[in-house]
Amino acid sequence: KQEVTQIPAALSVPEGENLVLNCSFTDSAIYNLQWFRQDPGKGLTSLLLIQSSQREQTSGRLNASLDKSSGRSTLYIAASQPGDSATYLCAVNPLIGTASKLTFGTGTRLQVTL
Amino acid sequence: DVKVTQSSRYLVKRTGEKVFLECVQDMDHENMFWYRQDPGLGLRLIYFSYDVKMKEKGDIPEGYSVSREKKERFSLILESASTNQTSMYLCASSFTGNYGYTFGSGTRLTVV
Repeated sequence: KQEVTQIPAALSVPEGENLVLNCSFTDSAIYNLQWFRQDPGKGLTSLLLIQSSQREQTSGRLNASLDKSSGRSTLYIAASQPGDSATYLCAVNPLIGTASKLTFGTGTRLQVTL
Repeated sequence: DVKVTQSSRYLVKRTGEKVFLECVQDMDHENMFWYRQDPGLGLRLIYFSYDVKMKEKGDIPEGYSVSREKKERFSLILESASTNQTSMYLCASSFTGNYGYTFGSGTRLTVV
């Protein structure tokens, strides 16, 4: 059974700092890995989708990498801002099974302070 | 802009009531999902559907049922609401295969 772990569970950084969020998974048989952002009391917003054949994806200040063989992904946030404060979730999409059921990590709660 | 729309942001219901949570997507996705999210427990899959009128149980289906009569609409039904069903409910949709999920904005349900 696929297990997805995110470390750290919570992180507080001063504004302007670059930071890395980690995601690890146990089964490398995946279509893709998706990073989401969730603000308190809101739904999930998709940030980046990395296909299993890709090594990284970039969107603005965000860069996500994927090392499928080692079961790891990282989300790099450059020049962090208070508006980046949220919970970040990673999820893997398995190759096998119906309906592409994602397995989610438990999330990293990020706080960017002034 | 493509989207998944959940009909209510906040809902307060009484114990024993029948509750309907509605989700509509406009992306022609074949798959739709209902999750609940609770502090410390993460996202847990309740039910999903991979086609019209098709449904499968997720990890925590007890106390819930679903309906998918049209491709764009997936309803979650609490037959007799209980206080332990107070939670954030999230709907999502996707194509099958090498695609991502799109989530709705969530419904915060409180059962009193």
